[in-house]
Amino acid sequence: KNQVEQSPQSLIILEGKNCTLQCNYTVSPFSNLRWYKQDTGRGPVSLTIMTFSENTKSNGRYTATLDADTKQSSLHITASQLSDSASYICVVPSGGYNKLIFGAGTRLAVHP
Amino acid sequence: DVKVTQSSRYLVKRTGEKVFLECVQDMDHENMFWYRQDPGLGLRLIYFSYDVKMKEKGDIPEGYSVSREKKERFSLILESASTNQTSMYLCASREASGRAQETQYFGPGTRLLVL
Repeated sequence: KNQVEQSPQSLIILEGKNCTLQCNYTVSPFSNLRWYKQDTGRGPVSLTIMTFSENTKSNGRYTATLDADTKQSSLHITASQLSDSASYICVVPSGGYNKLIFGAGTRLAVHP
Repeated sequence: DVKVTQSSRYLVKRTGEKVFLECVQDMDHENMFWYRQDPGLGLRLIYFSYDVKMKEKGDIPEGYSVSREKKERFSLILESASTNQTSMYLCASREASGRAQETQYFGPGTRLLVL
């Protein structure tokens, strides 16, 4: 069964600290994996997309990694800010062009 | 920038009412989607439309219908609202490039409460 699982479900960190969010997938065949950020009460916004051949990609303080062999991705946030408080959702296309498998998300809270 | 707007941020309806959720995008995208988002679950696809007057069922279409009369507008209809349809509803649009990497752009969501 095609699945996307994220851990932890929730995370609290202090401002300025780093954190890493995990995404494991069982989707096959694999084409790409995307991370979205969803602020409370808002729609998800794309942070980055990882294709099969990419291992690491950075977007400012966000760095995503992909290990296609172990079917794992991580999102590392450096020097966290209060504005990083949000849910982070991992998404992998499955089967047809229109079928996306969404993880349940990790809810991150950054405290001052 | 792509802009996807939804007609209401919050709605409160009674069981049995007919509910209309409207979504408008301004980027001339062919594809539009309706999802629902519930705590502890990933987004689940209700319906999508790949062009005007074209629609396909997603994973959870029961109790819902859709309408796409104009390219920029995609409506979700709850024919007879029930309490288990209380949820956050998200609309998205996407260019129809055929590439799996194409980004979906989401609206702000409508939080629906059915009493």
